[in-house]
Amino acid sequence: RKEVEQDPGPFNVPEGATVAFNCTYSNSASQSFFWYRQDCRKEPKLLMSVYSSGNEDGRFTAQLNRASQYISLLIRDSKLSDSATYLCVVTPPSGSARQLTFGSGTQLTVLP
Amino acid sequence: DTAVSQTPKYLVTQMGNDKSIKCEQNLGHDTMYWYKQDSKKFLKIMFSYNNKELIINETVPNRFSPKSPDKAHLNLHINSLELGDSAVYFCASSRDWRGAGPDTQYFGPGTRLTVL
Repeated sequence: RKEVEQDPGPFNVPEGATVAFNCTYSNSASQSFFWYRQDCRKEPKLLMSVYSSGNEDGRFTAQLNRASQYISLLIRDSKLSDSATYLCVVTPPSGSARQLTFGSGTQLTVLP
Repeated sequence: DTAVSQTPKYLVTQMGNDKSIKCEQNLGHDTMYWYKQDSKKFLKIMFSYNNKELIINETVPNRFSPKSPDKAHLNLHINSLELGDSAVYFCASSRDWRGAGPDTQYFGPGTRLTVL
């Protein structure tokens, strides 16, 4: 089983749509969780951290369910500029070296 | 004012050659990383250095040798290049290598290596 699993997509949605991405992770002791965004032929960039209480940043909402080892990202009112690959990322338990473990990414295309 | 920079951006070379990729960060971070992103876009950690000391060494062929002359630089030297080494290599840095809270890694723009 992969450490971090994501639906690869692609997701093709019209502008203004709401889209949700899901991610599961295998190590129940994983410590930190993130969503990164990677544009075509560019480096990954942090989109947002994910907290157990859930967190929101403008049109983006991230949720973490530790019991189910499940992370989600909701994008409301999609914009053309949201087109990218969204990477679910986890870190190992506290005290371990902080390498990021990436999912394979979910590709989103927002259509005009 | 690039935070994490890599050179070269593109590298095309023949099988069997030896090549190096350089990485520098001006963020004052203690920890630097090398990641490989293959043709399927899967991004995987290769190495990590904290204050010039190796802390992560994933299962990577020993043809790959990282070198950290100081904590702002982490270079990657690859010997006897093979076709399967073709990928995008990303350097990254973070403030700390472990801790209780979230930490952000900043990535360089990537080096696209093509082995012919």
